[in-house]
Amino acid sequence: EVQLKESGPGLVQPSQTLSLTCTVSGFSLTDYSVHWVRQPPGKGLEWMGVMWSGGSTAYNSALKSRLSISRDTSKSQVFLKMNSLQTEDTAIYYCTRLLGGFDYWGQGVMVTVSS
Amino acid sequence: NIVMTQSPKSMSISVGDRVTMNCKASQNVGNNIAWYQQKPGQSPKLLIYYASNRYTGVPDRFTGGGYGTDFTLTINSVQAEDAAFYYCQRIYNSPWTFGGGTKLELK
Repeated sequence: EVQLKESGPGLVQPSQTLSLTCTVSGFSLTDYSVHWVRQPPGKGLEWMGVMWSGGSTAYNSALKSRLSISRDTSKSQVFLKMNSLQTEDTAIYYCTRLLGGFDYWGQGVMVTVSS
Repeated sequence: NIVMTQSPKSMSISVGDRVTMNCKASQNVGNNIAWYQQKPGQSPKLLIYYASNRYTGVPDRFTGGGYGTDFTLTINSVQAEDAAFYYCQRIYNSPWTFGGGTKLELK
């Protein structure tokens, strides 16, 4: 069964760095790409970036200077790091698998940026 | 960057009605569009990919169409459980931009 699960801190202070982990099961990270998508409360979806199956990455140009995505294939984990967080980064953060469209999604993790 | 514009922003429909919502890309994306349904408190669910391919398990009352810059999602005989937000997304190429969404409410 395909599953993705996000984990990380629920609260981050302004100007600090967010670190999230997406742990997948039921498929290999070397066969499928994993994307990160976020959703501010009451707002729409924003694509953040991707870890391709081959190990390369691509980022939303609006976030590129602050965002880094990496992985550990042996642990089936994809990592997101974003620095210089501000209140507008408060959102639910999802990881999702690509097959045609984004066919499987994690449950999401709510991250609040506040002092 | 490509901008995806959805219309209308919201619509109120009766059970059994047919509804069509729109997604317009700011440049030609071919058939590289997906549609998602999102209910409150849930993760988005894939409905349609490559503009017109229904994802596994999606009821056949959901139909996607269009090519190039103009796309539609049609729901025939809307059911109560279809009340949700619907998002289009450019796929296949970066950036994988989402539209702003259409809220479907039931009268």
